[in-house]
Amino acid sequence: KQEVTQIPAALSVPEGENLVLNCSFTDSAIYNLQWFRQDPGKGLTSLLLIQSSQREQTSGRLNASLDKSSGRSTLYIAASQPGDSATYLCAVSLKNYNNNDMRFGAGTRLTVKP
Amino acid sequence: SQTIHQWPATLVQPVGSPLSLECTVEGTSNPNLYWYRQAAGRGLQLLFYSVGIGQISSEVPQNLSASRPQDRQFILSSKKLLLSDSGFYLCAWSVGSGGARETQYFGPGTRLLVL
Repeated sequence: KQEVTQIPAALSVPEGENLVLNCSFTDSAIYNLQWFRQDPGKGLTSLLLIQSSQREQTSGRLNASLDKSSGRSTLYIAASQPGDSATYLCAVSLKNYNNNDMRFGAGTRLTVKP
Repeated sequence: SQTIHQWPATLVQPVGSPLSLECTVEGTSNPNLYWYRQAAGRGLQLLFYSVGIGQISSEVPQNLSASRPQDRQFILSSKKLLLSDSGFYLCAWSVGSGGARETQYFGPGTRLLVL
């Protein structure tokens, strides 16, 4: 059974700091891994999608890495800003072509202080 | 462009009352549709998915049901709500054959509190 864990559960940093969010999963037989952003009481916004054959993806100040064999992914945020404050969720897609079955972590709640 | 709507945004219901949450997608045809629940402090859990009108698959046994009366409409229902049904409900859509390679796009969510 696939389990996704995110550490830490909450993180508070001063503006401008670089930070790393961690995600681990128990079954390496994944199809892809996604990082999402969720603002309070709102839906999810996809940030980065890494296919299982890839090692990393970059978008602006965000860089996500994937080490499938060790069951780990990191989301690196450079030069953090108060607008980055949100909950960040990682999700893995299982190797199932009959439905899009994603398993989510509980998220890391990030606060960037001005 | 495609948009996804959910309503209501917030709902407070007594235990034992019925439930109907609606999700509609605009700007695309024959989308795959999903209902997720996010309980406090926990990750999202897939409840139902649908690859077409009248085609519903359930991921977990529960007190809820789903229906897809139209191509771009997905409804989450319950005849009698339980306290444990409280949570944040998210609808999502994707386009394709329903496989794991598709990106899902999420709606704004409905916060349900059962008292």
